[in-house]
Amino acid sequence: DIQLTQSPSFLSASVGDRVTITCRTSQGISGYLAWYQQKPGKAPNLLIYATSTLQSGVPSRFGGSGSWTEFTLTISSLQPEDFATYYCQQLNSYPHTFGQGTRLEIK
Amino acid sequence: QVQLQESGPGLVKPSETLSLTCTVSGDSINSSSYFWGWIRQPPGKGLEWIGSIYYTGSTYYNPSLKSRVTISGDPSKNQFSLKLSSATAADTAVYYCARRPYSGGYFAYWGQGTLVTVSS
Repeated sequence: DIQLTQSPSFLSASVGDRVTITCRTSQGISGYLAWYQQKPGKAPNLLIYATSTLQSGVPSRFGGSGSWTEFTLTISSLQPEDFATYYCQQLNSYPHTFGQGTRLEIK
Repeated sequence: QVQLQESGPGLVKPSETLSLTCTVSGDSINSSSYFWGWIRQPPGKGLEWIGSIYYTGSTYYNPSLKSRVTISGDPSKNQFSLKLSSATAADTAVYYCARRPYSGGYFAYWGQGTLVTVSS
């Protein structure tokens, strides 16, 4: 199985900050990496797929980059509605593993 | 707009089989364009991919659950189902069904999720 490790696991930031979340994979993957945002009591919401493609309807302040074993999700200017938990997922090979999550809270 | 809705018992006894159904509207599970999957999330914890099914009936399971999991499809009802045998408290989770494009590495559409508690 490909293991995904997100860092940090917890992040405290302020509105307007630029934040970066990293997802490292235990093996190189060919780019089938997605990022999701999840709010309490809700299903995950797709933000980014194929490493850097913004899902339709997702604000442009969200961006993804990376390759092989290291990937990042960047939020350029945090908005109040961005405080949530973020997960990466690889769909390069089975099983389609998730990172452990990064909880983003208001400072 | 595709919609997915999970349904099934909210309480399952230990050692029994957990059974859930996902009803799809706005799309056909017989489409060659998509996989249909199950993901779960224990309370307060992260996400775990359980498995997926393709319209051909081909299934793909998480090895950690493979001996206990069966995913099947019913095109006549446009539903797909999850069965998890020999349930334990560790299977208590919110269970989501979701859709993934055949050539896409992501789940864009999810059901709202359903909490299943395994307890006597």
